[in-house]
Amino acid sequence: GESVGLHLPTLSVQEGDNSIINCAYSNSASDYFIWYKQESGKGPQFIIDIRSNMDKRQGQRVTVLLNKTVKHLSLQIAATQPGDSAVYFCAEKFDYGQNFVFGPGTRLSVLP
Amino acid sequence: DVKVTQSSRYLVKRTGEKVFLECVQDMDHENMFWYRQDPGLGLRLIYFSYDVKMKEKGDIPEGYSVSREKKERFSLILESASTNQTSMYLCASSPGDRSNQPQHFGDGTRLSIL
Repeated sequence: GESVGLHLPTLSVQEGDNSIINCAYSNSASDYFIWYKQESGKGPQFIIDIRSNMDKRQGQRVTVLLNKTVKHLSLQIAATQPGDSAVYFCAEKFDYGQNFVFGPGTRLSVLP
Repeated sequence: DVKVTQSSRYLVKRTGEKVFLECVQDMDHENMFWYRQDPGLGLRLIYFSYDVKMKEKGDIPEGYSVSREKKERFSLILESASTNQTSMYLCASSPGDRSNQPQHFGDGTRLSIL
């Protein structure tokens, strides 16, 4: 079936560097995408979303890029901080219903 | 802020027991969801509900049932718990309109079946 996947299961970055977390999706009918952050012992927390009619969206220190041609989604975190250490996963929604397909996640470790 | 509250953070039950996991949201959301989260598998949808007394099967409904008697509350029921149902269970809610909206999650219930 359709699925959302991630290229890298773990990512280690130096504090202050920029982080890039990638996600490949397979359903060309998906029209809405979300990045979630999940800290240890907590539920997933919404970070940023993007609709399929956009290529880029910026938030506070985060940017999401959507490349529909190659069905690729990325999350960029600027000036990564220790508090950014968590599991990040993407989710896609098809153009009907309210259900999402979630990727397995990437663990981001911020090194001092 | 949206608040999704799951009644238990940790729960230990025995094989064969009937287990209830409760979830309450305070934002008057129409949609509510139950997922389980296992390492390497991501979130898998068990059941969801678009309205009171309505329920739909997700991807892995076997061994589970749900109840939505009130809009704010969505209960997950393990009819006869088995060890393969040991997992992290996450509840989520979202608005019912057709615009794209994120799902908001609770902090999860880590359930161990002995």
